[in-house]
Amino acid sequence: AQSVAQPEDQVNVAEGNPLTVKCTYSVSGNPYLFWYVQYPNRGLQFLLKYITGDNLVKGSYGFEAEFNKSQTSFHLKKPSALVSDSALYFCAVREKNTGFQKLVFGTGTRLLVSP
Amino acid sequence: DAMVIQNPRYQVTQFGKPVTLSCSQTLNHNVMYWYQQKSSQAPKLLFHYYDKDFNNEADTPDNFQSRRPNTSFCFLDIRSPGLGDAAMYLCATSRDSGTGGVSLRDTQYFGPGTRLTVL
Repeated sequence: AQSVAQPEDQVNVAEGNPLTVKCTYSVSGNPYLFWYVQYPNRGLQFLLKYITGDNLVKGSYGFEAEFNKSQTSFHLKKPSALVSDSALYFCAVREKNTGFQKLVFGTGTRLLVSP
Repeated sequence: DAMVIQNPRYQVTQFGKPVTLSCSQTLNHNVMYWYQQKSSQAPKLLFHYYDKDFNNEADTPDNFQSRRPNTSFCFLDIRSPGLGDAAMYLCATSRDSGTGGVSLRDTQYFGPGTRLTVL
């Protein structure tokens, strides 16, 4: 089965500093990876995905993620954090051989950006 | 704007009293999903509709049912809510080609969620 791990429950960063939210994956074959963000009492918002192509994926709100096959990682990054980026971030991988887009989510990482 | 809408945003029900949550979409996607999310945990897939075909996850309790009367609407029915069913319920949609393959378009879009409280 496919899985993703988010090793940090919380990441703290000061506004204006770069941020990284980590995700590693365990899949057989090529991975299909996603990042979502969830603000309090809201649904999940799609940020970006890696299906194929360039290892550096650019997404919404200035976020990007780098797919690293040798390290089996798909870390989310942003060059300069904003207080408004404070939220819960989920990494997800698509299960294979299910006939539909079954996503397996990580446990989530809470990002706290301080002013 | 095309979107996924959930109503109500907040629902309070009593222990054992049936409740229905609603989801609608203007994306014309053929697949609709229901997730349960507790206390900032990862969303847990309950079931999905592939067009009109209902697909239940193996560990979804019988207490949870769903209906999809047309492409745009999908309902989650909780027949006898227990205290443990208090959670955020998320609806999502996607377009799937049905070939089993992966497309660059593959993305699930989520609604804002309904927070269910059981008294």
